[in-house]
Amino acid sequence: QSALTQPASVSGSPGQSITISCTGTSSDVGGYNHVSWYQQHPGKAPELMIYDVTNRPSGVSNRFSGSKSGNTASLTISGLQAEDEADYYCSSYSSSITSHVVFGGGTKLTVL
Amino acid sequence: QVQLQESGPGLVKPSETLSLICTVSGYSISSTNYWGWIRQPPGRGLEWIGSLHHSGIRNYIPTLKSRVTFSVDTSKNQFSLTLTSVTAADTAVYYCAREVAPGGNYGYWGQGILVTVSS
Repeated sequence: QSALTQPASVSGSPGQSITISCTGTSSDVGGYNHVSWYQQHPGKAPELMIYDVTNRPSGVSNRFSGSKSGNTASLTISGLQAEDEADYYCSSYSSSITSHVVFGGGTKLTVL
Repeated sequence: QVQLQESGPGLVKPSETLSLICTVSGYSISSTNYWGWIRQPPGRGLEWIGSLHHSGIRNYIPTLKSRVTFSVDTSKNQFSLTLTSVTAADTAVYYCAREVAPGGNYGYWGQGILVTVSS
């Protein structure tokens, strides 16, 4: 059981927008603005898409955006493209017990 | 550009010790950034193992803290992971990574190395 809760799967058609949620607690998502989102294609290493809740690394499409409300963070992908089909993981800094990082269980995005 | 590369044995016997090295190029390991180890069991999600700083600061996930050790070799621009008393549950792809912002924001990753624990 992962520390952060994500839906197992989401789907959308090309051009549509989808949102993936990531729910934690006040000791992680709700307490800090250190939430990241990663995209992982099969057999590849994860790629950072969003860091510190809303920031996009250089080179990441502006179709990807992040937000947070309370203990839940969200990743929104607009203008879905076939290449967006992948697994997405959220992570957060956590102060529960000791300082560490927790991941969500991952969400499989299918582009219909 | 920054590159990370994991190396080590792909097969380890149960109860033995797993040792991996991450070689960094294009960036000094003695910088202000934190470095991390993350693993992913086959077909499953990501699990943070811990982070380290060249100054000696170490953070480990509580569930592995008694079995894991990180070290740094600044002369070789490498850092390493040692995991003792491995079991089949430690079978995973192991990634090394570098933070781009404090708090576990990993912007650079190695390609990963599959380590299988089996006799």
